[in-house]
Amino acid sequence: AQSVTQPDIHITVSEGASLELRCNYSYGATPYLFWYVQSPGQGLQLLLKYFSGDTLVQGIKGFEAEFKRSQSSFNLRKPSVHWSDAAEYFCAVVPGTASKLTFGTGTRLQVTL
Amino acid sequence: DAGITQSPRHKVTETGTPVTLRCHQTENHRYMYWYRQDPGHGLRLIHYSYGVKDTDKGEVSDGYSVSRSKTEDFLLTLESATSSQTSVYFCAISEENNSPLHFGNGTRLTVT
Repeated sequence: AQSVTQPDIHITVSEGASLELRCNYSYGATPYLFWYVQSPGQGLQLLLKYFSGDTLVQGIKGFEAEFKRSQSSFNLRKPSVHWSDAAEYFCAVVPGTASKLTFGTGTRLQVTL
Repeated sequence: DAGITQSPRHKVTETGTPVTLRCHQTENHRYMYWYRQDPGHGLRLIHYSYGVKDTDKGEVSDGYSVSRSKTEDFLLTLESATSSQTSVYFCAISEENNSPLHFGNGTRLTVT
């Protein structure tokens, strides 16, 4: 079945360390790709999106993501994590123009001081 | 923040009772969505709307109905609530099909 996979349920990093959150999809064509962040008790906020063009996209809060077609991946990165980045992160995919957004199961990020 | 208001924010109800959740937007966006969020499942689409009185089913629509009589309001109804519908429900809006979604702050529903 077509799907979006976030293999890491929970990640802990130290403040100031680099971060990479993984996302893989299993759709045939190049989908539209998104990363969202959810703070406790809040709705989701868009971090960044990829539709086409440059495969390295910049988002808000210092995040970036790289689309790698050969690996069917869209990993989220940040060079130096801040304590306020602790939240849950969702990768989401639109497989095609007639489809709707499908979310991964999320990765919860904990930041230690 | 996008102008999206969900009401109520919290609700506890008994099995078998009807429940209606409301989503109100002030952005005049065409598309509106209802998702539910459950541990281990991420967010799953229940129903969506692409205009007044135009709605369609998502992947987990059984047991739910929706209505959109005005651009700004999208209602989600559980005709007869079950314990499996205990969840956090999120409304989202978007300007166009597959453009980025803006989310409300959610409604936590508990069915006892």
